[in-house]
Amino acid sequence: GDSVTQMEGPVTLSEEAFLTINCTYTATGYPSLFWYVQYPGEGLQLLLKATKADDKGSNKGFEATYRKETTSFHLEKGSVQVSDSAVYFCALSVNTDKLIFGTGTRLQVFP
Amino acid sequence: IAGITQAPTSQILAAGRRMTLRCTQDMRHNAMYWYRQDLGLGLRLIHYSNTAGTTGKGEVPDGYSVSRANTDDFPLTLASAVPSQTSVYFCASSVIYNTGELFFGEGSRLTVL
Repeated sequence: GDSVTQMEGPVTLSEEAFLTINCTYTATGYPSLFWYVQYPGEGLQLLLKATKADDKGSNKGFEATYRKETTSFHLEKGSVQVSDSAVYFCALSVNTDKLIFGTGTRLQVFP
Repeated sequence: IAGITQAPTSQILAAGRRMTLRCTQDMRHNAMYWYRQDLGLGLRLIHYSNTAGTTGKGEVPDGYSVSRANTDDFPLTLASAVPSQTSVYFCASSVIYNTGELFFGEGSRLTVL
């Protein structure tokens, strides 16, 4: 079945470090891919999305490229801030069927 | 501020009791969802509603029921709570069903003893 696999956390970085959070997927069709972010004590918020191969989603300095050949959608940011500390969820949707979430990756950024 | 309002924010409940988690949205979205979030398991869909008057089962529907009498409200009921239902519950909505672009409430933390 369709699924999303994220790297285990927590990811611990110093401020201004480069961030990569890995996400790979398995899908029977052609999925749309999403990254959601959950700040402490809050609900999830859509961070970025990509709907077809080679699309790059971007928002707030974060980027992710839809790689069909490697079935990946890795999240990157060139210089993280303490305020980026949160849990990040990769997700997919195939043919507007249900949205499937990964288990989440906690990011901790220290000054 | 437009969005999703959930209540209560937090609740401790004795096993066997009935509990309703409330969810209201003011964005006139057609679709609404209930998820539970558990450590190591991510978010799992409990029930959903494509539009007012219709509901459907998600991945983990057992022990839960929902209703969608109007566009704005989507309550989740635990008829007889059990400890395994201890979780954080999130209500969400989208303009139409499963575009992938969901708006989430701030969650309801439920502890069943």
